[in-house]
Amino acid sequence: KQEVTQIPAALSVPEGENLVLNCSFTDSAIYNLQWFRQDPGKGLTSLLLIQSSQREQTSGRLNASLDKSSGRSTLYIAASQPGDSATYLCAAGGNTGKLIFGQGTTLQVKP
Amino acid sequence: ETGVTQTPRHLVMGMTNKKSLKCEQHLGHNAMYWYKQSAKKPLELMFVYSLEERVENNSVPSRFSPECPNSSHLFLHLHTLQPEDSALYLCASSQGVGGQYNSPLHFGNGTRLTVT
Repeated sequence: KQEVTQIPAALSVPEGENLVLNCSFTDSAIYNLQWFRQDPGKGLTSLLLIQSSQREQTSGRLNASLDKSSGRSTLYIAASQPGDSATYLCAAGGNTGKLIFGQGTTLQVKP
Repeated sequence: ETGVTQTPRHLVMGMTNKKSLKCEQHLGHNAMYWYKQSAKKPLELMFVYSLEERVENNSVPSRFSPECPNSSHLFLHLHTLQPEDSALYLCASSQGVGGQYNSPLHFGNGTRLTVT
């Protein structure tokens, strides 16, 4: 049974800092690994999707990596801004569309 | 209107009521999903529909009944719920057919359900 863990549960950093969010999964037989952002009272916004054959994906200041053998993914945020404050969720995708989510990391970027 | 729209945004219902949640997607996707987000728990997949056929039912109690009349609309019919069913119910869509689920999910803003 796939389990996804995110560490830390919460993180507070000053504006401008580079930071890394961690995601680990127990079953390496994944179809993809997805990162989402959730703002309070809102749904999830897709940030990056890494297919199982890929090692990383980049979008602007975001870079996500995937290491299937070790069961890990990281989300790197460069030059953090207050607008990056949100909860970040990772999810391991199976080939039936089923996503198993972690509990998320709540990020606060202080001006 | 674009994206995934869910109505109502908030719903309070008693345990004997019957209500329905509605989701509509304007993205041309062919797969739709219901997720449950409870406090201090990870998002839980409830149902997956692909081309209007249910392909996943994640051991959800029968008091939750999904309906997908076409590829743009998804409903979740609720009856005789319990207080522990109070949660944020999120609808999502993606382009995924026949196992090709490598497109990202697009979520609505959810329905905040409170069962009294």
